[in-house]
Amino acid sequence: NAGVTQTPKFRILKIGQSMTLQCTQDMNHNYMYWYRQDPGMGLKLIYYSVGAGITDKGEVPNGYNVSRSTTEDFPLRLELAAPSQTSVYFCASSPGGGLSSEQYFGPGTRLTVT
Amino acid sequence: AQSVTQLDSQVPVFEEAPVELRCNYSSSVSVYLFWYVQYPNQGLQLLLKYLSGSTLVKGINGFEAEFNKSQTSFHLRKPSVHISDTAEYFCAVSDPGNAGNMLTFGGGTRLMVKP
Repeated sequence: NAGVTQTPKFRILKIGQSMTLQCTQDMNHNYMYWYRQDPGMGLKLIYYSVGAGITDKGEVPNGYNVSRSTTEDFPLRLELAAPSQTSVYFCASSPGGGLSSEQYFGPGTRLTVT
Repeated sequence: AQSVTQLDSQVPVFEEAPVELRCNYSSSVSVYLFWYVQYPNQGLQLLLKYLSGSTLVKGINGFEAEFNKSQTSFHLRKPSVHISDTAEYFCAVSDPGNAGNMLTFGGGTRLMVKP
């Protein structure tokens, strides 16, 4: 199994541009998450999903959108990129359903907005 | 809401010395606790987890952690570190009752092992 995969690995955006960060998992996990990691700040939850067609906001959702049309995929959309969105983005998945909450992480996407 | 405090942002230590990375969380109710490790330019990997039962939890790479409910702590320890343990370590907590199994992370501790 590949686990959680993310594309692209790196991206530079200009202010005001848009892009979609892709995330796919092949573990048949119900739950998926998007985090951003800023230096010295740990991980902050952007959005999460408990199943196909269901999404909800996390701690820092402003400036982002998500969709979950399939169990496997959970893309994160940035509209009108701003320098404050420069960060490393991690996607994660979890079996869910009252189990241990252990999350499995992808390798991350490093995004720079200039 | 839960909060997690990792008291040391950086911990320098010499190779083969013992190390303890400290983690305190805010809630006194039942929690699940995790330690993750992040090697440079990689995603997070699970080191160990506490769900219930024995308060001493053993993980991968010789790490262990002790759950202390009265002090709301979950400190990570290793008796003898290697250069390869140089990484960022994150403590995380989850409320078993939360609908999305969400994790709250601490700010991280950078372990720097020196030869």
